[in-house]
Amino acid sequence: QVQLVESGGGVVQPGRSLRLSCAASGFTFSNYDMHWVRQAPGKGLEWVAVISYDGNNKYYADSVKGRFTISRDNSKNTLFLQMNSLRAEDTAMYYCAKDRSYGMVVWGQGTTVTVSS
Amino acid sequence: QSALTQPPSASGSPGQSVTISCTGTSSDVGGYNYVSWYQQHPGKAPKLMIYEVSKRPSGVPDRFFGSKSGNTASLTVSGLQADDEADYYCSSYAGSNNHVVFGGGTKLTVL
Repeated sequence: QVQLVESGGGVVQPGRSLRLSCAASGFTFSNYDMHWVRQAPGKGLEWVAVISYDGNNKYYADSVKGRFTISRDNSKNTLFLQMNSLRAEDTAMYYCAKDRSYGMVVWGQGTTVTVSS
Repeated sequence: QSALTQPPSASGSPGQSVTISCTGTSSDVGGYNYVSWYQQHPGKAPKLMIYEVSKRPSGVPDRFFGSKSGNTASLTVSGLQADDEADYYCSSYAGSNNHVVFGGGTKLTVL
């Protein structure tokens, strides 16, 4: 079945970096745009970034632009989010999601990122 | 502050209908037919309920109905059931600069 599994979350100090991964299975990964969406504790959903099916186009939320980089390896069916210069406000559950008409049709279970000294 | 405005709460009794609104601008909701709705139960990942304003993914019951008028999209849940109690979020495509924006979410309570 269609599945997304995130990994790479953890506790990190402000200013440090973290790389999240999202392993996809059950569908032709290279055919679909992919998103990262985050949710701070007790808060709503916030779109973070999207990458086109071929990796050629990437878009970011203003809150992460210049600090986060989305990428993908279609040969390994894997999506990435490189997060640099992390701030306390980046603390959240991070979800990867498969795109459908600018919506997110399949979601992973999420990976937790905590930025704290 | 979220880009799209949703009421923080909504409620209805079992069997009744409830409508949740999602108000944006002509740069997002009003400008594109790419409004989506998500259901999120506590501690779970969101689930897509509606995409492209009114389309339902496979497996979503037809009790969930999406619509749009101008800059406001709506999700109507009819025949309320206990399991419909959850947080609901709308999202919209917002052009190549902002790409996707979410609403702040609405907590639906089934009385």
